[in-house]
Amino acid sequence: EVQLVESGGGLVQSGGSLRLSCAASGFTFRIYNMNWVRQTPGKGLEWISHITSSTSAIYYADSVKGRFTISRDNAKDTLYLQMNSLRDDDTAVYYCVRGRPNGYFDYWGQGILVTASS
Amino acid sequence: QSALTQPRSVSGSPGQSVTISCTGTNSDVGDSNYVSWYQHDPGKAPKLIIYDITRRPSGVPDRFSASKSGNTASLTISGLQAEDEADYYCCSYTATVWMFGGGTKLTVL
Repeated sequence: EVQLVESGGGLVQSGGSLRLSCAASGFTFRIYNMNWVRQTPGKGLEWISHITSSTSAIYYADSVKGRFTISRDNAKDTLYLQMNSLRDDDTAVYYCVRGRPNGYFDYWGQGILVTASS
Repeated sequence: QSALTQPRSVSGSPGQSVTISCTGTNSDVGDSNYVSWYQHDPGKAPKLIIYDITRRPSGVPDRFSASKSGNTASLTISGLQAEDEADYYCCSYTATVWMFGGGTKLTVL
C-alpha cells in the first residue's frame, strides 16, 4: 500500500524557517517524480514544487520561488521541503504528492499544517 | 499564475447529474492534454478521479466522466450519491507548471 507521511509542520514566526519531510513507503520511491501541494485556509489547492526522480529537474510556483527548496533522499525514501522567509500567507496544509509523467497526482499524503504568524 | 475558474458550488439530488466546469486560457487548459480532477473530503487526502482529460483510475465509478472543449474542461457526475458530496478540483499541467482550479463544493441535497 502506498503511504506518504508528512512531518515537521507547526507554528513558526513570520520570517522564520521550517523543514517538512515526507516518508514514502509501499512503492519504489526512487523512480517517481514527487511534488508538494498546499491548501490555504478557506481556499483551494496550489501546486508549489516538483522534483523529478533523479533530481534532474526542479520547478517552483512563482509564489515560493527563491524562498522554498525541494529535495529528496532516494536512499531514505524521503522528500523534503525547506521553507525560508515564511510569510503569513504561507499558512496552509502541505501535502506530499506522488506525480506521474502526464502531470497528474496519483497518491497524496494526509497533509501537515504549517502556521506562519507575525 | 492565476487559478483556473470553477463555480464555487453546485448541488443536485440523489440520482441526478451535475457538471462542474473548469475554465482557463490558451496557455493552460486550452494548451494541455493533461487535465486531471480530484475529489477532496476536508480532513482527508485528495483523491484522483480523472486524468489525461477523460481517463478514470481503476476503482473510480463510471458515474464520473470528463471532457474538454477549448479552454474549458468539465467533470460530470451521474447518478449522484450522498457519498459524492465533497470538494472537486481540476488541474492543468503544461510544460513545467501545474495549475489548479479554485475548487467546487458539491452538495447532494
